[in-house]
Parts: sequence; structure tokens; C-alpha cells
Amino acid sequence: GAGVSQSPSNKVTEKGKDVELRCDPISGHTALYWYRQSLGQGLEFLIYFQGNSAPDKSGLPSDRFSAERTGGSVSTLTIQRTQQEDSAVYLCASSLIWQGNYGYTFGSGTRLTVV
Amino acid sequence: AQKITQTQPGMFVQEKEAVTLDCTYDTSDPSYGLFWYKQPSSGEMIFLIYQGSYDQQNATEGRYSLNFQKARKSANLVISASQLGDSAMYFCAMRASGAGSYQLTFGKGTKLSVIP
Repeated sequence: GAGVSQSPSNKVTEKGKDVELRCDPISGHTALYWYRQSLGQGLEFLIYFQGNSAPDKSGLPSDRFSAERTGGSVSTLTIQRTQQEDSAVYLCASSLIWQGNYGYTFGSGTRLTVV
Repeated sequence: AQKITQTQPGMFVQEKEAVTLDCTYDTSDPSYGLFWYKQPSSGEMIFLIYQGSYDQQNATEGRYSLNFQKARKSANLVISASQLGDSAMYFCAMRASGAGSYQLTFGKGTKLSVIP
């Protein structure tokens, strides 16, 4: 596609439920990143996928968070047993090569609210 | 580890005036890149400008320029001739070169409001 697409744009869920957030990167971009943006905060790195390499999960805040990327394209971020502190905007970004000078192309994000 | 500091939570500027958004950084890596992103209310992060640590000249992109002072570890964004559409959050970010340096480390942002 022309840009990075994320769905849903908004998600309200009850505490304790599982949620799945989807990211469809720019076609041909081999690198994909997930970030989390809490209210009034900057972006917090969560996970990084590059081609067929094992993902870097070092930013995931707990084992309730997981992500996968199928076929080197679409990625899904799953949060199990959601907690209120998980409420945030989850941003996905992709890039052609990780050393690009132009940073990454971001999606519009998924606003997650845990009630 | 890298750290980005943006000390201005909010800024106001009169339309058509210039404004400077501050950014200081901390890294022990000799090679790094500095970025500025704009985030309007729609939520999307829009890339504005990039400065490499070894670049000899300050980066410019249209109305945006980056005032890079390496010794002071600062990378301030200058927006000339502000427009109402410039009202948004602005984030400074850094990526260090080297193994595993794919992450962008972001500051907490500055909310810019342009006054007509």
C-alpha cells in the first residue's frame, strides 16, 4: 500500500481480555517496528522485525505482550489479559533498510483503552 | 544508552514568525543520527528532517532547519514563517549507528500552538 496501515484505529476492551492489533507495512519494507505512546510521553520501543531474522523483543514490557510477523509482511501485536496501564496508542512503523537516513514511515496508530 | 531531552512541554508562536524547538541528546556512540517528527492530532508521525553526526552542514528542508551544535549535544528545530497547520506535537529522536541500533529513542515532545 501507499502507507503503513493499522487496525483498528480505536479499541476499547475490558480489563483481563486479550486484544490483537494489526499492522500492514509498506510493500517491500523489510523492517517493521512497534512503539507504544502513553499519554504525555514520547514513544517507547517494543519490538523490531527485520526480514527473516529473529525479532528483537527487548522492549516488550511483560510476557503478556507478543508479536508476530507473517510472511515478512503483516504484523500482529497481541496483548493478553489486558491491564489499565496498557492503555496507550500503539504505533507501527516500517522502513526499507534499518540504516535509512529518513527514519521510518509510521502508521496512524491504534488507540487502546482498557476499562 | 541514548537519551533525548525536550525541555519545552508547550510553545506558542505567532503566525508567520519563526520558532525554535529545543532538543538535547546524550550518547556515547561516535556516530548517530538525529530526527525530528511532527505528530498532528490525527496521530501519525510525520518525518521532517534528519541530521547525521558527521554532517558538516546543518540540515534544511523547506521551512525546517536543524541547528546542530555537536559540542553542546543539541539539535534544535527551527521552523520559519509559522503556519496554522504547524500546530502539532514535535518529537526529537536519535538513532545510534552500530549493531542493534535500529531503534529510535524519542524525547517527550513539545506541543506547538500557532496563534493567528
